[in-house]
Amino acid sequence: GAVVSQHPSWVICKSGTSVKIECRSLDFQATTMFWYRQFPKQSLMLMATSNEGSKATYEQGVEKDKFLINHASLTLSTLTVTSAHPEDSSFYICSARGRGPFSLHFGNGTRLTVT
Amino acid sequence: KNEVEQSPQNLTAQEGEFITINCSYSVGISALHWLQQHPGGGIVSLFMLSSGKKKHGRLIATINIQEKHSSLHITASHPRDSAVYICAATNTGNQFYFGTGTSLTVIP
Repeated sequence: GAVVSQHPSWVICKSGTSVKIECRSLDFQATTMFWYRQFPKQSLMLMATSNEGSKATYEQGVEKDKFLINHASLTLSTLTVTSAHPEDSSFYICSARGRGPFSLHFGNGTRLTVT
Repeated sequence: KNEVEQSPQNLTAQEGEFITINCSYSVGISALHWLQQHPGGGIVSLFMLSSGKKKHGRLIATINIQEKHSSLHITASHPRDSAVYICAATNTGNQFYFGTGTSLTVIP
């Protein structure tokens, strides 16, 4: 079946540094990729939607300069958390939509801890 | 008010029991998703449906478009079914509306 690989699965970084998270669709072309954030014991919150070759669409309240999204190809999207702060510590998840009408696949998530 | 409401929030069941999780939504949708999140955080898309009923193994998902309601059923529940189940609605504009999740614990 379709697989989405998200890397790294966890990362610890210091305040002020930047962290890049990769999301790859392994056996299908992802027309659209989504990035979510999840706080402890809460449901997913959509951060942004990205289509290959175009700028990401950010949800209200999500800082586009802080959370840089690049969707360089049909199989790769990256989320870069710039100048990370402890409040950015969270679980980040990506999902990818294939060409079929009912095709949505999730990565395993990245747990980010900013110290 | 949330666009997607799920119930119950927490559910404990004995192994073998039949389980139902409900989802009501107030927005127009193109699809309704049922997601399963394991304790480690990984998410699996169980179903994506826009009408009727789908079945996969012991899992059944139904949707009633007129009533804006969907249910996820688990037959013969097993401890490995313990997870958080999330209902999510999407519209044609790729907007996502997530329910708050149902935490299921199945006791042996």
